[in-house]
Amino acid sequence: DTEVTQTPKHLVMGMTNKKSLKCEQHMGHRAMYWYKQKAKKPPELMFVYSYEKLSINESVPSRFSPECPNSSLLNLHLHALQPEDSALYLCASSQEASSSGANVLTFGAGSRLTVL
Amino acid sequence: AQSVTQLDSHVSVSEGTPVLLRCNYSSSYSPSLFWYVQHPNKGLQLLLKYTSAATLVKGINGFEAEFKKSETSFHLTKPSAHMSDAAEYFCVVSPRAGFQKLVFGTGTRLLVSP
Repeated sequence: DTEVTQTPKHLVMGMTNKKSLKCEQHMGHRAMYWYKQKAKKPPELMFVYSYEKLSINESVPSRFSPECPNSSLLNLHLHALQPEDSALYLCASSQEASSSGANVLTFGAGSRLTVL
Repeated sequence: AQSVTQLDSHVSVSEGTPVLLRCNYSSSYSPSLFWYVQHPNKGLQLLLKYTSAATLVKGINGFEAEFKKSETSFHLTKPSAHMSDAAEYFCVVSPRAGFQKLVFGTGTRLLVSP
């Protein structure tokens, strides 16, 4: 299995809703990532988990709450979002890079979020 | 600090003609470099990577890229474009080790006409 699976593919939510995005990989990767991508822009890093511990938070607002229940799963909990949070949310994973290896990310297909 | 510049926001080619997508990088040490492709409403797929082995790197779907240290370039080429190549292409630079941030270029949209 060489895939990163994201659900749901599409999500529409109001500003008072609570929802979650889910990501799963079975490649044995120990690093997992959330990226946000606005239209016609490159992806922007939000969070990095390494060995199920949060290692990087790119100053993301607290209305986004990541969770890594185990080495295969990554969630992004959403609460009180704003319309400007509408974007494609991409999950990715990678092996823990060694000192001689490059960090190759495998991306999921993304979850398209619309906040009304 | 690392950075990457994609020199063209859009490239238009005819089917069957060569493709050239240009990328220049800046890095204080020898970097790892990648090209990713993103089809509409899809995630990113790795096309190829350079990690200090051969300077000419072959990827999937007939794409290849050449690392030129003297020119700080990593241009992506394909001899003959196919309609299915129409997509957004990102040049990416990474630290050699560890999972610090990848640095993405702004992307080049490849348009392929019949």
